[in-house]
Amino acid sequence: DSGVTQTPKHLITATGQRVTLRCSPRSGDLSVYWYQQSLDQGLQFLIQYYNGEERAKGNILERFSAQQFPDLHSELNLSSLELGDSALYFCASSVGFGANVLTFGAGSRLTVL
Amino acid sequence: DQQVKQNSPSLSVQEGRISILNCDYTNSMFDYFLWYKKYPAEGPTFLISISSIKDKNEDGRFTVFLNKSAKHLSLHIVPSQPGDSAVYFCAAKVGGGSNYKLTFGKGTLLTVNP
Repeated sequence: DSGVTQTPKHLITATGQRVTLRCSPRSGDLSVYWYQQSLDQGLQFLIQYYNGEERAKGNILERFSAQQFPDLHSELNLSSLELGDSALYFCASSVGFGANVLTFGAGSRLTVL
Repeated sequence: DQQVKQNSPSLSVQEGRISILNCDYTNSMFDYFLWYKKYPAEGPTFLISISSIKDKNEDGRFTVFLNKSAKHLSLHIVPSQPGDSAVYFCAAKVGGGSNYKLTFGKGTLLTVNP
């Protein structure tokens, strides 16, 4: 157990729908990162939050949004879902921002039918 | 544009032999490199790293080599064990503020046969 908790583990939904993925960082970590792993792709950086504020943005689509709450948990919202959004979504955390080493959760597998 | 490339999707070695996983990168601004290991149904876990100012870092059976002129790094596992069978991701970091980015390769599936 890495200490980073992601829910749900699996999610199946239909095109056009909206889902929310949740992440609780490791105790003491202030930064949360979201990554997407599609089939045959590496981990694609989506977005980073540090202590409630957005710090860095990667290849995140406009249909996707995220936030980090005062208790430091984070949610990734995916809307107007398309088949191509089917992927593993990983959350990671670190103590500071710009960390060299991230601790990853087990991921949330999203299937869009 | 894939800035971190792992050109071998898979590698198979015999137990006790050396495993060599390779990674190439294109961005000369990367200042830190890492290897992560991932088992099925788990998230990636940090394995070993190296700063861009070094050319070698060793931790037990694992050694990472960095060749900056060739923009190439490799992970050596000696001796390989069946428990090492996993997907290995190479990652490279640039920046520290709003331009921070940790970029991953697509991974190499290592299978160590008993």
